[in-house]
Amino acid sequence: EAQVTQNPRYLITVTGKKLTVTCSQNMNHEYMSWYRQDPGLGLRQIYYSMNVEVTDKGDVPEGYKVSRKEKRNFPLILESPSPNQTSLYFCASSSFTLGPQETQYFGPGTRLLVL
Amino acid sequence: ELKVEQNPLFLSMQEGKNYTIYCNYSTTSDRLYWYRQDPGKSLESLFVLLSNGAVKQEGRLMASLDTKARLSTLHITAAVHDLSATYFCAVDSGAGSYQLTFGKGTKLSVIP
Repeated sequence: EAQVTQNPRYLITVTGKKLTVTCSQNMNHEYMSWYRQDPGLGLRQIYYSMNVEVTDKGDVPEGYKVSRKEKRNFPLILESPSPNQTSLYFCASSSFTLGPQETQYFGPGTRLLVL
Repeated sequence: ELKVEQNPLFLSMQEGKNYTIYCNYSTTSDRLYWYRQDPGKSLESLFVLLSNGAVKQEGRLMASLDTKARLSTLHITAAVHDLSATYFCAVDSGAGSYQLTFGKGTKLSVIP
């Protein structure tokens, strides 16, 4: 089954404790992206990756890091989480090779609470 | 900086009625996307619009794109309760970049 998986799905942590949210897709997609969703603010893009070893900043990259060492994985790293990073996080992927059918597939989301 | 505005942000409509959600964006763009999100769920892709005048339809939903006006519309025909969800449009920043900016979403409630 084609899917994007995220782990963990729920996480409570404390300020300053480094954490990683994993994202993996099994569709051989080139493009992967991370978003955060906050009430009243909609979705905002954090980072995206066009392919292995190619990453770029979205609208709100501060406080986050990413890496793309393998095509299927795109982890989101919070080196020193702060309470303002409490949010719902989504990973997504899509293919460039399907032409106009560049549908993004979203993961189930990771709900993060930073105390 | 690309800005994307959706309106209305909240929409309550009766079953059987028609309505349109608007998505305006501030700069030239190559692609516009529409997504649906059910409460507590992830996002589902509805439409990808790639050129001026593009129109796509799926069931009771029809999306169109006017790149000159920098406007996309999502038209709902004869609404049913199952269409209740939040709808987002998203626009890429153009010039081959895939940085996406989302609108704040339109929360649609279809009342029987």
